[in-house]
Amino acid sequence: EVQVLESGGNLVQPGGSLRLSCAASGFTFTSYAMTWVRQAPGKGLEWVSAISGSGGTTYYAESVEGRFTISRDNSKNTVFLQMNSLRAEDTAVYYCAKVTTWGSRSLDYWGQGTLVTVSS
Amino acid sequence: QSALTQPASVSGSPGQSITISCTGTSADVGTYNLVSWYQQHPGKAPKLMIYEVSKRPSGVSDRFSGSKSGNTASLTISGLQAEDEADYFCCSYASSSNPWVFGGGTKLTVL
Repeated sequence: EVQVLESGGNLVQPGGSLRLSCAASGFTFTSYAMTWVRQAPGKGLEWVSAISGSGGTTYYAESVEGRFTISRDNSKNTVFLQMNSLRAEDTAVYYCAKVTTWGSRSLDYWGQGTLVTVSS
Repeated sequence: QSALTQPASVSGSPGQSITISCTGTSADVGTYNLVSWYQQHPGKAPKLMIYEVSKRPSGVSDRFSGSKSGNTASLTISGLQAEDEADYFCCSYASSSNPWVFGGGTKLTVL
């Protein structure tokens, strides 16, 4: 059974940093890209970042480019999102999701999310 | 990149069919057959319902179907059931630098 579990969300002050983790199981981790998608309170979904199965290629939304860094540890089946220079508009539930296949660009398994609140 | 455009809300009675539209541009929906749809119940994670415009993942009811015409993709739910009441989001590939563009979401109410 595929499982995706995020952790690391917290209350942080503007300008602060936070690292999110996403532990995955139930599939061959190195074969699949992984993504982070966020949802601000009462709002829609927004893609944040993605990383290839090998970790060699990364992608970022314009809104987080230069501030967020995605990485993965394939020995631990875990993806990370390092978030720096946080802003109030980064407040959201952050979901980690598995990419079905790179050719389909769909996201077939999602975690339950972890809440990041940026406020003084 | 602008979000895809969805109606804020749709409604239908049990047993009826409804369609949710998702309008993009020739740079995303119109060019790529990489539209997916997600169902989200309150406080829950999104669930993949349709991928590559019209394909259903294993375990998703055949009451859910997807299609595309020009720059607009559509999700149709037939034989509405109470448990279909949820938010629905469309998503499309747009470019290598913007692999996922989401719609604003549509709240489906089953009357």
